[in-house]
Amino acid sequence: DAGITQSPRHKVTETGTPVTLRCHQTENHRYMYWYRQDPGHGLRLIHYSYGVKDTDKGEVSDGYSVSRSKTEDFLLTLESATSSQTSVYFCATKGERSYEQYFGPGTRLTVT
Amino acid sequence: GQQLNQSPQSMFIQEGEDVSMNCTSSSIFNTWLWYKQDPGEGPVLLIALYKAGELTSNGRLTAQFGITRKDSFLNISASIPSDVGIYFCAGRSGGTSYGKLTFGQGTILTVHP
Repeated sequence: DAGITQSPRHKVTETGTPVTLRCHQTENHRYMYWYRQDPGHGLRLIHYSYGVKDTDKGEVSDGYSVSRSKTEDFLLTLESATSSQTSVYFCATKGERSYEQYFGPGTRLTVT
Repeated sequence: GQQLNQSPQSMFIQEGEDVSMNCTSSSIFNTWLWYKQDPGEGPVLLIALYKAGELTSNGRLTAQFGITRKDSFLNISASIPSDVGIYFCAGRSGGTSYGKLTFGQGTILTVHP
């Protein structure tokens, strides 16, 4: 357990509004990841970070941006939410010398 | 991109039965991980495998890293009601991939008391 919290846990927002999801970890892990989980698609990587201010795109990055100004925080922003971004979002972290990713509790986002 | 085919998609079993599920890929992976997800929660790591042929146990769970490095298997012995959930496999290929994982679609396990 990497001490990962996500906020908010649930959010309902309207199409076209900006949304920011926060991931906070207490384990000083270097690597952090954002996934979305949808029925029939499993877990898909949106963006990841390999250090402070070092981020890169995953397989489904369109419409999302991320920022990491501190080791412990990784933010996911939907600049203009769309209904297709209704999903459950998970943050995960990984230590320097391990390949094991640990997941947060998730954020359920509904875009109406 | 890489894909993992996880089977079966769902299983309905009686309490006490053994369970087997697997993941296969056309690509080679250097690490296999198995996770369990309970409703409304994030995936929890069950077992990590790092070498081809490796067999690792965690209580009633046993997982194997296939010899070809293109598959992995998870077995649950003597299932109990709390085994209910979604089980995911995940694979990591080598290189400077920053630990990125490819996930299977998941196996939904239902255990009848």
